[in-house]
Amino acid sequence: NAGVTQTPKFQVLKTGQSMTLQCAQDMNHEYMSWYRQDPGMGLRLIHYSVGAGITDQGEVPNGYNVSRSTTEDFPLRLLSAAPSQTSVYFCASSSLGNTIYFGEGSWLTVV
Amino acid sequence: GESVGLHLPTLSVQEGDNSIINCAYSNSASDYFIWYKQESGKGPQFIIDIRSNMDKRQGQRVTVLLNKTVKHLSLQIAATQPGDSAVYFCAENSKTGANSKLTFGKGITLSVRP
Repeated sequence: NAGVTQTPKFQVLKTGQSMTLQCAQDMNHEYMSWYRQDPGMGLRLIHYSVGAGITDQGEVPNGYNVSRSTTEDFPLRLLSAAPSQTSVYFCASSSLGNTIYFGEGSWLTVV
Repeated sequence: GESVGLHLPTLSVQEGDNSIINCAYSNSASDYFIWYKQESGKGPQFIIDIRSNMDKRQGQRVTVLLNKTVKHLSLQIAATQPGDSAVYFCAENSKTGANSKLTFGKGITLSVRP
């Protein structure tokens, strides 16, 4: 049972570069989301989706784009990376109104 | 505004003792509460949850208590083990139409002394 799978695990980017963090879930969950986790800040919601074709902004959406073309996948795109985006990113999924399950995280450093 | 907070940033307990981790929430519309455990270098792992129509729920070695009157949530871990050392998060879930919003506390570190 794979659950929520994120790739890559680690990434170093130069300022201005773009990249996509991949997220896939095999539990047929409607709800998927991206969080970032910073020291002393807890988990903050970036973007979320309640189903294929539907996305919405969370608490800290600036600098990130998402799309949800399928139920399984929810990639997070950084169009022009900034040092402030150095963080640990977690993808999560759930059936609506039920427990949210997290991936193992992606450690991103922007230099 | 809504907020979820933990009373203590760190908790140190002796192996074998019981641990109690407390959490306050402020959104009275929240209907679902979750405790997560996060080990170093890993994602948050679901421990136990409770819905607002309950005041107590037990799992294996863990119990969650919900006091809606004072908006307080606690996680009790019986016979704490070294493997319980981790950061623990409480989270509250509130619904707006078809959407759910999960708000996390900042986390508390549980350290188990051998």
